[in-house]
Amino acid sequence: EADIYQTPRYLVIGTGKKITLECSQTMGHDKMYWYQQDPGMELHLIHYSYGVNSTEKGDLSSESTVSRIRTEHFPLTLESARPSHTSQYLCASSDGDSNQPQHFGDGTRLSIL
Amino acid sequence: KNQVEQSPQSLIILEGKNCTLQCNYTVSPFSNLRWYKQDTGRGPVSLTIMTFSENTKSNGRYTATLDADTKQSSLHITASQLSDSASYICVVSDRGSTLGRLYFGRGTQLTVWP
Repeated sequence: EADIYQTPRYLVIGTGKKITLECSQTMGHDKMYWYQQDPGMELHLIHYSYGVNSTEKGDLSSESTVSRIRTEHFPLTLESARPSHTSQYLCASSDGDSNQPQHFGDGTRLSIL
Repeated sequence: KNQVEQSPQSLIILEGKNCTLQCNYTVSPFSNLRWYKQDTGRGPVSLTIMTFSENTKSNGRYTATLDADTKQSSLHITASQLSDSASYICVVSDRGSTLGRLYFGRGTQLTVWP
């Protein structure tokens, strides 16, 4: 089992609220990622980080922001949630070169009312 | 356009039977191909990773094959168990950057019935 944790697992919240999704890993991995996944659809990369103080936007445009102040922590923030943000958000980490697997957390299922 | 297509979209088999899932891709330049298993409500878990020079790799009852010439891969599950019920996702990585950009398929939803 990979040691990567996401909280909360489920969140139902009203429009306009500020939300932070937490992701922590204890493997010391340099690379971390945030994906968005809708039912029956492929994962889409929304943010990634090569290491501390490094963050980049992914392929799918997202109104969320991320920070990487510590190696083990990669939180994602939505300043003002909207119903269009309803989705599952998956965090992952990896180490070494691109032939190494990504280890995923169990995700946060977010519902905006 | 770099794409990963999986078939079938869904599959139902009886416990103890074998099955094969297919993945076709157009990603270029190719770095590696991965198969992940995603249980309902959980994150994906890596089953196998194959580079260009590998044409088969096993992980217990799971055997993945890769034909880099035809850009096809398959995942064969032997003697299926109820716990094999999950979505199986094919992921292809390119060599375009240090990150190795990943292209995800939509997955095959496998249901194993007793």
